[in-house]
Amino acid sequence: AQSVAQPEDQVNVAEGNPLTVKCTYSVSGNPYLFWYVQYPNRGLQFLLKYITGDNLVKGSYGFEAEFNKSQTSFHLKKPSALVSDSALYFCAVRDGTSGTYKYIFGTGTRLKVLA
Amino acid sequence: DADVTQTPRNRITKTGKRIMLECSQTKGHDRMYWYRQDPGLGLRLIYYSFDVKDINKGEISDGYSVSRQAQAKFSLSLESAIPNQTALYFCATSGADSALNEQFFGPGTRLTVL
Repeated sequence: AQSVAQPEDQVNVAEGNPLTVKCTYSVSGNPYLFWYVQYPNRGLQFLLKYITGDNLVKGSYGFEAEFNKSQTSFHLKKPSALVSDSALYFCAVRDGTSGTYKYIFGTGTRLKVLA
Repeated sequence: DADVTQTPRNRITKTGKRIMLECSQTKGHDRMYWYRQDPGLGLRLIYYSFDVKDINKGEISDGYSVSRQAQAKFSLSLESAIPNQTALYFCATSGADSALNEQFFGPGTRLTVL
């Protein structure tokens, strides 16, 4: 069975500092991994994805994520946080080699960037 | 105009009432999904549809039904609402190869069942 874990309910970081939001996954085949962001009273917005290729993936708003197969992780990073980055972040995984088309979402991590 | 719209945005209803949540999209996508979001639980898939003739149950379909009236429309119904169906509901769409493509989400419907 596929699963995804976001071990931190909340991450606090000072503006201008680097940020990391953690995600680990479990799938039986090749993982397709996604990050989404949810601002208050809005739906989820796509940030970036890893399907294959380079382990470092760049996405919207200056975010990037590093795929680490040995650690089964796909952590979201940004070199310099902005107050406007404060939001709820979701990691999602899909097993790329199974017959399922379902995405599994993590429980979300609330990011607070402090001015 | 938003690509994925949901109506209503907010709804308060009573136990036992029938409720329909509607979703429309202008992205031309074949694949549509309904999720519910609960604090601490993330998003859970209720139903998904790959085209008008294809409906599939997700992980938490009990108590819900769906209708795919057209490529652009996918409705979620609660036949007899109960309080533990109080949640934020999202509709989403994706392109043909949903394995590779991200999903596009509507703004959500906040449903409260008293």
